[in-house]
Amino acid sequence: NAGVTQTPKFQVLKTGQSMTLQCAQDMNHEYMSWYRQDPGMGLRLIHYSVGAGITDQGEVPNGYNVSRSTTEDFPLRLLSAAPSQTSVYFCASRTGQGAYGYTFGSGTRLTVV
Amino acid sequence: EDKVVQSPLSLVVHEGDTVTLNCSYEVTNFRSLLWYKQEKKAPTFLFMLTSSGIEKKSGRLSSILDKKELFSILNITATQTGDSAVYLCAVVPREKLTFGTGTRLTIIP
Repeated sequence: NAGVTQTPKFQVLKTGQSMTLQCAQDMNHEYMSWYRQDPGMGLRLIHYSVGAGITDQGEVPNGYNVSRSTTEDFPLRLLSAAPSQTSVYFCASRTGQGAYGYTFGSGTRLTVV
Repeated sequence: EDKVVQSPLSLVVHEGDTVTLNCSYEVTNFRSLLWYKQEKKAPTFLFMLTSSGIEKKSGRLSSILDKKELFSILNITATQTGDSAVYLCAVVPREKLTFGTGTRLTIIP
C-alpha cells in the first residue's frame, strides 16, 4: 500500500515558469488537500477537494489551480511561478467516513529563483 | 477566522524528562483536534480528540482535550532522542485542517 505519493521531491523553477505537482493516493480516500509549509508559518491550506469533480479554495489559493478528475489524483498547478511560492508542499488525504486523521505525502521542496 | 496557537514555540530538555505541549484554539463548528509529529518529512498522525476529558494514550505519549477552555495538551514522559521533532496541533472545523505553527522539541542525550 503506497499511501500518498507526491512527485517530484525537489524542483527548481525560474520566475514565470509553470509546473504541476503531482499527488496520488491508493486508499480510495474522498478528501484530498494541498498545504504549503513555510518557516514560522505552519501548514497553510491552498486548495482541497471532498470528492472527484469537487474542489474549493483554502487559505492561500492565489497563484495555484487544482482539479480532481479522479478519486486517486489531485494535481496542483503553479500558473506563473514567483519567488514567494518557494516552499515545501504537502498533499494529504483521508477517508470521508468518521476519522479525521489525514495521511500526508512526503512533500515537494520547491525553489523559485 | 479559525485560530490555533501552540506553546511553547521551542523546547529543549534532557533525555528522561517529561514535557507538556500546549494547544489552544478558537474555531467555529469544532469537530475534532489532531496532533501530528513531524520529523524531517511529512507529518505523522498521533491522536485525534473529539470529547473533553478523555485521555488518549500511546506508549509514552498521551493527550487530552478541554472543550470548555478550548485547549489540548500533549504529554511525553521519559523522553528519548527519537522524540525530537516538531509537534503540530490542528483543528477540524469542517473538512479543512487549521494548523498551529508547531512546537519544536529537542531532546539532549
